This record gives sequence, C-alpha cells and structure tokens, in this order.
Amino acid sequence: AQSVTQLGSHVSVSEGALVLLRCNYSSSVPPYLFWYVQYPNQGLQLLLKYTSAATLVKGINGFEAEFKKSETSFHLTKPSAHMSDAAEYFCAVSDPGANSKLTFGKGITLSVRP
Amino acid sequence: ETGVTQSPTHLIKTRGQQVTLRCSSQSGHNTVSWYQQALGQGPQFIFQYYREEENGRGNFPPRFSGLQFPNYSSELNVNALELDDSALYLCASSLSPGNTEAFFGQGTRLTVV
Repeated sequence: AQSVTQLGSHVSVSEGALVLLRCNYSSSVPPYLFWYVQYPNQGLQLLLKYTSAATLVKGINGFEAEFKKSETSFHLTKPSAHMSDAAEYFCAVSDPGANSKLTFGKGITLSVRP
Repeated sequence: ETGVTQSPTHLIKTRGQQVTLRCSSQSGHNTVSWYQQALGQGPQFIFQYYREEENGRGNFPPRFSGLQFPNYSSELNVNALELDDSALYLCASSLSPGNTEAFFGQGTRLTVV
C-alpha cells in the first residue's frame, strides 16, 4: 500500500522568503509523485510531477521538487514566496499501474505574510 | 479546449436521501476518477471509470456507485446519505487509465444534515 506524510498542517513565511513544504512517501514499487495546489473553493491544479526521469523536477509558478529515494522524500521548494502562493498544497503518490489512482497526503496550508 | 466541469457546485441533502453528482470530462479524455475530500483532509480515491466500466475502487461502501456515458461524462451516486458523507467531491479526467496527468474539476460541495 502507498501512503504520503506531510509534516505539519500549516506553514507561514514572509513574502520573498524561501518556501519549503515537506513530503515523505511510502511505496512498494517505484512511485510517481505529484504536488497539487488548491485555492479556496477550487479544484486541484498540478504543480509538478516526478515520473522516474530527472530527480529535480521544475513546475509552474517557480516551484520545484527533488526526488530523494534514500530519504523517501519529495519536498517542494520555491526560492521566493509571493502573496499569491497562499493556498493548500497536497503531495500525492501514484502506483504507475492499471489506473494510476492518486493517494494524497493531508495537505499543508501555506500563508504568506507581507 | 473545455476543462473538467462538475455540477452542481453546492447542494444540501438530508440524511438517508440519495444524491447524484455529475462530471463532464475534458475534451479527448476517456477516463474519469472520483475523489472525496473531507474538511481538512486530502482527497480520497472513490473509483475510476474507463470505457463505461468501473476500473478500480477505493475503500468506499457499495452505496457509492457510478456511471460513465458514451461521451465519457460520469455520474457519482450516493444512496442512504450519512452525515459523514459531507465533503467536497472532486472529479478528475485523464487521457487514459495509466496516464498520470489528471485534470480536476472545481468540485461539488455536499452537505448532509
């Protein structure tokens, strides 16, 4: 069975500061990993995904994540936070099998202080 | 290109009632997955439909059922509603069952009272 752990439920940073959102996964097979963002009253938008190619993945809006197999981690970073980054962020894992269902973590709320 | 659309956006039902939620997949996508997102939680996989057949199911009871139509749109039906069914229901479409890029709709907020 696959699972995702997102440490902490809320992260607060100042505008312009580094954003670091942590994600650890558990999977019995080489996983596919994803970060999604959810703005209030909206669905999920894909930020980036890892599908066994380059371990450093660049996504939209300046976000990137690094797959570290030895640490079973896929942490999301952005060098400089913007007010518009305030949202809920979900890490997810998928077994690249028949239906590629997504298993999500509980999510992290990112607040950005002016 | 039309994105994933869900209807209705909000609804309120009474415990014990039945509800149907609808989803139109993105143009060209033949696979639809449904997720339940309880307040403060991540989405949980309910089931997936491909070629009008269920193609995988999560840990949800049989009172959660679905349909997929020839135009790839889909319905989620929930019978005998319980208070714990209150959640945001998300539909996601993809090009095929094995395709990792799923596009999500805005969701239907169901409140059971």
